[in-house]
Amino acid sequence: QVQLVQSGAEVKKPGASVKVSCKTSGYTFNAHFLHWVRQAPGQGLEWMGRINPDSGGTKYAQKFQGRVTMTSDSSISTAYMEVTTLTSDDTGVIYCARESPEDTTYDYWGQGTLVTVSS
Amino acid sequence: DIQMTQSPSSLSASVGDRVTITCRASQGSRNDFGWYQQKPGKAPERLIYGASSLGSGVPSRFSGGGSGTEFTLTISSLQPDDFATYYCLLHNTFGQGTKLEIK
Repeated sequence: QVQLVQSGAEVKKPGASVKVSCKTSGYTFNAHFLHWVRQAPGQGLEWMGRINPDSGGTKYAQKFQGRVTMTSDSSISTAYMEVTTLTSDDTGVIYCARESPEDTTYDYWGQGTLVTVSS
Repeated sequence: DIQMTQSPSSLSASVGDRVTITCRASQGSRNDFGWYQQKPGKAPERLIYGASSLGSGVPSRFSGGGSGTEFTLTISSLQPDDFATYYCLLHNTFGQGTKLEIK
């Protein structure tokens, strides 16, 4: 069965960087885009960007341009997202999600990674 | 960029009620549209894709409709497990969410 398993919770100081991983299994890794979505405490869902694991091509939301880097390693079916120059506004849960084969919605999600930015 | 307006932002209803949530998009779509349910502390789960197709394992009391710029999610008879927050998604843009609470 399809699974996306993310790395554990992180606590970072303002100005630091964080790198979150998303290990996938149960499907052909290169066949589906992977998206990253953020949720601030008590708030809604916000798309951060996506990576095409087959080509390595990326597309980032304008809000995160220059601060986010998405990569992938097909040999271990894992995607990564690094966010730099963290501020308290970056506190929240980050999810990875697989793009569906039927359309551009997301059919499988990781469990989420809580990132806390605090001095 | 697409703008999405989801309504209502919150909704109070009783078990057995029929409820409808609406999303309006600033640009039309070829029905590349989804609905999600999220419970506290959990990842979202897809209910509907392609605007009206039921996701795997999703109960038939959930249905999606609409096309173009207006889409709906209907729950035909609310069950206790349905009280959650619902989001729509179109081309990487989410609606603001609808919190469904027990009356």
